[in-house]
Amino acid sequence: EADIYQTPRYLVIGTGKKITLECSQTMGHDKMYWYQQDPGMELHLIHYSYGVNSTEKGDLSSESTVSRIRTEHFPLTLESARPSHTSQYLCASSHNTGLTEAFFGQGTRLTVV
Amino acid sequence: KQEVTQIPAALSVPEGENLVLNCSFTDSAIYNLQWFRQDPGKGLTSLLLIQSSQREQTSGRLNASLDKSSGRSTLYIAASQPGDSATYLCAVTNYGQNFVFGPGTRLSVLP
Repeated sequence: EADIYQTPRYLVIGTGKKITLECSQTMGHDKMYWYQQDPGMELHLIHYSYGVNSTEKGDLSSESTVSRIRTEHFPLTLESARPSHTSQYLCASSHNTGLTEAFFGQGTRLTVV
Repeated sequence: KQEVTQIPAALSVPEGENLVLNCSFTDSAIYNLQWFRQDPGKGLTSLLLIQSSQREQTSGRLNASLDKSSGRSTLYIAASQPGDSATYLCAVTNYGQNFVFGPGTRLSVLP
């Protein structure tokens, strides 16, 4: 059973606000990921982490930042939200070995007005 | 650089048909290949994982095959149902790399 949770599921927020999208997993996975996906479009990797205190930028440049203080928690923060940040954000996790499945959360749909 | 493509981009079939979705990748030195399903506005659900040493995996009405040497995988769905309507994505992992996703096949199964 995949246990990876994202909150909130939906968020509508005004321009300039600071927001944090939460992602937690209870599978003991070392590696965690954040993807950005516009409706009907491909997934783009924006951040990933190999474990505690590790954060890396993904293939798509993003103004968001991430932190990994605990293995199970990988929050994504936008310091000043803009309408261009409107998108769906998906969190995922897997073992570092790459030999096992990746599991995804249900996503956070962010709308910046 | 690994590139993943999926054919067809979209598919519409009547209920009950058997169908095949295709996934191709350019670098055959993969660790594994994973098939996912995504419903509109939702996250991805893992369907099947095939390790590089395996040729196929089965789960219920789903069967995925892998031909590493030719850089191809197929997802076979038997006796399709309207509930199978979704976007199906494949993703591959190479040594030391992150998952590389295909663009997906959007499937509609008509009642």
